[in-house]
Amino acid sequence: DGGITQSPKYLFRKEGQNVTLSCEQNLNHDAMYWYRQDPGQGLRLIYYSQIVNDFQKGDIAEGYSVSREKKESFPLTVTSAQKNPTAFYLCASSMARHLYGYTFGSGTRLTVV
Amino acid sequence: AQKVTQAQTEISVVEKEDVTLDCVYETRDTTYYLFWYKQPPSGELVFLIRRNSFDEQNEISGRYSWNFQKSTSSFNFTITASQVVDSAVYFCALVIQGAQKLVFGQGTRLTINP
Repeated sequence: DGGITQSPKYLFRKEGQNVTLSCEQNLNHDAMYWYRQDPGQGLRLIYYSQIVNDFQKGDIAEGYSVSREKKESFPLTVTSAQKNPTAFYLCASSMARHLYGYTFGSGTRLTVV
Repeated sequence: AQKVTQAQTEISVVEKEDVTLDCVYETRDTTYYLFWYKQPPSGELVFLIRRNSFDEQNEISGRYSWNFQKSTSSFNFTITASQVVDSAVYFCALVIQGAQKLVFGQGTRLTINP
C-alpha cells in the first residue's frame, strides 16, 4: 500500500544535539511538507519542497534544515539552534498541483531531555 | 491572501448529540478547493472530504455531512448522532488553483463524552 512513513515515532534529544526525522513516501508525489504541532495548537509549516533538489522555507524555518535529494525522501534536521524543539512533527506529501490535498504521515513526537 | 478561520477552538458534547464544526474561508480566487481532515489522538491527519468551488451541493457520508455555501464563504461539517470515536481535532483547509500549499485553519478539538 502506498503511503508516508515517518520514523521514529518517538525521539528524545539532549539539549545541544542535532536530530534528524525521517519521512519517506511511495506515492510518487512531487511535493513534500514538514509541519510542527504544539500541544493544543494548529499546524505550522516549517519547510516544503515542490521538486527534487529544491525547497522553500515555511513560517517557522529557523533552527531547522531539510534536504530533498530523492523524490521519495524529505528528512528534517532539528538543529541545536532550535530553542524549543519539543513538539509533534508531521510530514505530508501531495501531487504537484495540490488540488487533491495532502497525505500525512503518522508523525514523530520529539522531546528534549 | 487566503485564510481559513475555525472560530470554535473546543467543543464538548454528550454522545448521540449532533454537532456542527464551522469553517469560514477567505479568497479572491474563483477556483479553489476545500478540505476537512480529522486528527485522532494517534496524531495522523486523515482526509475526510474535498470540495471544489463550483460544486455547492451538500454531501452526506453516513453520519457526516458537509454544507458548502459560497454566499457566506463557509464549509461547515456536521456529525449526526455523535460517538466517542468522533473525538478528535478537525481541520478545515483551502487551496487555490496554482498555489504551492494548502492553508489550514487552527483546528477544532471535539470531545464526545459518553
